[in-house]
Amino acid sequence: DTAVSQTPKYLVTQMGNDKSIKCEQNLGHDTMYWYKQDSKKFLKIMFSYNNKELIINETVPNRFSPKSPDKAHLNLHINSLELGDSAVYFCASSHLGGTLNEQFFGPGTRLTVL
Amino acid sequence: SQQGEEDPQALSIQEGENATMNCSYKTSINNLQWYRQNSGRGLVHLILIRSNEREKHSGRLRVTLDTSKKSSSLLITASRAADTASYFCATPESGKLIFGQGTTLQVKP
Repeated sequence: DTAVSQTPKYLVTQMGNDKSIKCEQNLGHDTMYWYKQDSKKFLKIMFSYNNKELIINETVPNRFSPKSPDKAHLNLHINSLELGDSAVYFCASSHLGGTLNEQFFGPGTRLTVL
Repeated sequence: SQQGEEDPQALSIQEGENATMNCSYKTSINNLQWYRQNSGRGLVHLILIRSNEREKHSGRLRVTLDTSKKSSSLLITASRAADTASYFCATPESGKLIFGQGTTLQVKP
C-alpha cells in the first residue's frame, strides 16, 4: 500500500553512463515532482508535472529529462552522468496546487557516480 | 533563492525535554509547512499553517507563525528518541515549495 514508490533505492554507476529512476504514486494525485537533495541535505525542486504536462522546470542541465507516461508515473532519465550528479533524488506528489497542500514523498534514490 | 532558513542547524536534547526549531523566510506567503525526514527516508508532512493562522497544534507538535517577522517555530513537547530526525520548513514561491536546510534533532534516551 506504498503511496509514492521509487526504484531503484540505490544506484551506483560510472561517469558518462545513462540511467533512469522510476516513480509511481497510487494516491490519485495529479501533480508529481522531482527533487534533488545534496550531501548537506539541501532539497531543491527540479521538475513538476501536472496531468502529464511539465509545469515547473528549474535550471537543470538538459542531461536530465523527466517523462510522465500517465498521471501516476513520473520517471527521470539522466544522460552522461557526472560526478556532481551524486545525490539523493526524491519523487513527490500532491493534488493540484501542491504549494497549498501537503506533498507526499517517496523513499528516495541514492545515486552515486564514480 | 533560499526561502526558508532554519535555526539551529543542529539540536541535541534528552528524552522528555522540549525541542524548538525556528524558520525564517523572505517573501510573503499564504502558508508554511513543516516536514520531518528520518535518516535515509523521504520527507513526511507534519503540519501546514496558513498565513491567517498564528498557532496550530497536532499532537505533541505546536507551530507558530508570525507573518510580521516572517518567521515560524516548531515546538515538539515531551520529546522521544523516535523524534530524532531532520526537520524542514517549506514555503511556497512561484508555484513551488522552497525548503530550508533543516534542523537536525537528536533526542538521547
